[in-house]
Amino acid sequence: DARVTQTPRHKVTEMGQEVTMRCQPILGHNTVFWYRQTMMQGLELLAYFRNRAPLDDSGMPKDRFSAEMPDATLATLKIQPSEPRDSAVYFCASGLVRGIANTEAFFGQGTRLTVV
Amino acid sequence: SQQGEEDPQALSIQEGENATMNCSYKTSINNLQWYRQNSGRGLVHLILIRSNEREKHSGRLRVTLDTSKKSSSLLITASRAADTASYFCATAEIQGAQKLVFGQGTRLTINP
Repeated sequence: DARVTQTPRHKVTEMGQEVTMRCQPILGHNTVFWYRQTMMQGLELLAYFRNRAPLDDSGMPKDRFSAEMPDATLATLKIQPSEPRDSAVYFCASGLVRGIANTEAFFGQGTRLTVV
Repeated sequence: SQQGEEDPQALSIQEGENATMNCSYKTSINNLQWYRQNSGRGLVHLILIRSNEREKHSGRLRVTLDTSKKSSSLLITASRAADTASYFCATAEIQGAQKLVFGQGTRLTINP
């Protein structure tokens, strides 16, 4: 049963600490998305990879956030230093681009981050 | 950035009634997708409609797309308590990085 796996599921950290979230996309998928979900902002696209290359990270605060895909089985989202306003649920999703457009995205269960 | 705007933000109906949610968007799209999210869980894909399609059905779901008005609707017929969830539209953009961008969602509550 193919699924997107995110770790950790929950993370509580102190302000100023580094946070790393990991995602294992579904094997064979060529796109990976990182979204952040809050009550106020809804689902915000932070980063988008296709064939492991970053295509868009315009939604990501560059001074503290970074996203990478060191290989096809791992995507990471790092926050350094973390701040209380980063508290949110972070979702990873993977999918396939057919032709020129994204088709169905498969979401992981999310990482609930709390920065105190 | 948000592309789709959903309407209404919240909807509460009785079991057995039909639920209609609307989505408007701004840019040119290849397709529009609807997702469901149960509380505390990830989003699950429901249905995809391409820009050259006007209507699509899947079980109790009916989706329409009007590209001239840049709008879509999701109809859930004969609602059940288990349909209680948040529903999101997502647009697959044609231009730029061809991102998948989500709206704010509609919170649907089905009362038994």
